[in-house]
Amino acid sequence: DAGITQSPRHKVTETGTPVTLRCHQTENHRYMYWYRQDPGHGLRLIHYSYGVKDTDKGEVSDGYSVSRSKTEDFLLTLESATSSQTSVYFCAISESPSGAGTGELFFGEGSRLTVL
Amino acid sequence: QKEVEQDPGPLSVPEGAIVSLNCTYSNSAFQYFMWYRQYSRKGPELLMYTYSSGNKEDGRFTAQVDKSSKYISLFIRDSQPSDSATYLCAMSVSGTYKYIFGTGTRLKVLA
Repeated sequence: DAGITQSPRHKVTETGTPVTLRCHQTENHRYMYWYRQDPGHGLRLIHYSYGVKDTDKGEVSDGYSVSRSKTEDFLLTLESATSSQTSVYFCAISESPSGAGTGELFFGEGSRLTVL
Repeated sequence: QKEVEQDPGPLSVPEGAIVSLNCTYSNSAFQYFMWYRQYSRKGPELLMYTYSSGNKEDGRFTAQVDKSSKYISLFIRDSQPSDSATYLCAMSVSGTYKYIFGTGTRLKVLA
């Protein structure tokens, strides 16, 4: 199994509070991704990183920010959580030796966030 | 129109049956194709990874890619109750960060 750890695994918070989810990998993979998974929508990309301090937006990035100060850690922050951000969040990693989009994508176990 | 279409199911089959799961896509630039299995309240687990057209076999699983028809399939032979899960297809293009996922097919294998 790919060494990906997400924390916290479960969190309940209130509207308007900041939330940070952490993804930690032990594989030294270059690419890291944050997805959210919602019924009827499948997995949607929030943000991704292609190296330390190199990040970019995905298709549903509004209300989210990310940071990657070390190869192994990728943080997802909700500055002011809203009920529409209630979801299951998955971190994924990829080595992609032939460039972006070319390698297998491995997922963590997920972080279940409820915003009341 | 979604870039990747996948029948949500649920699909119920008896134990031992051959299962066929399918996805269609519209973007002819997709080159890499993946199948994931996701158990309830777990992360997606990579089952098969293929490049371009053709077949790939791994144990009871066979992945098939037909780029001319923009159609991919996953076959599960001798299905087991432990195969009961949601199966997601995914595809990507070299040079982009985009992995596009189907919404998943729920499979139930009855003992």
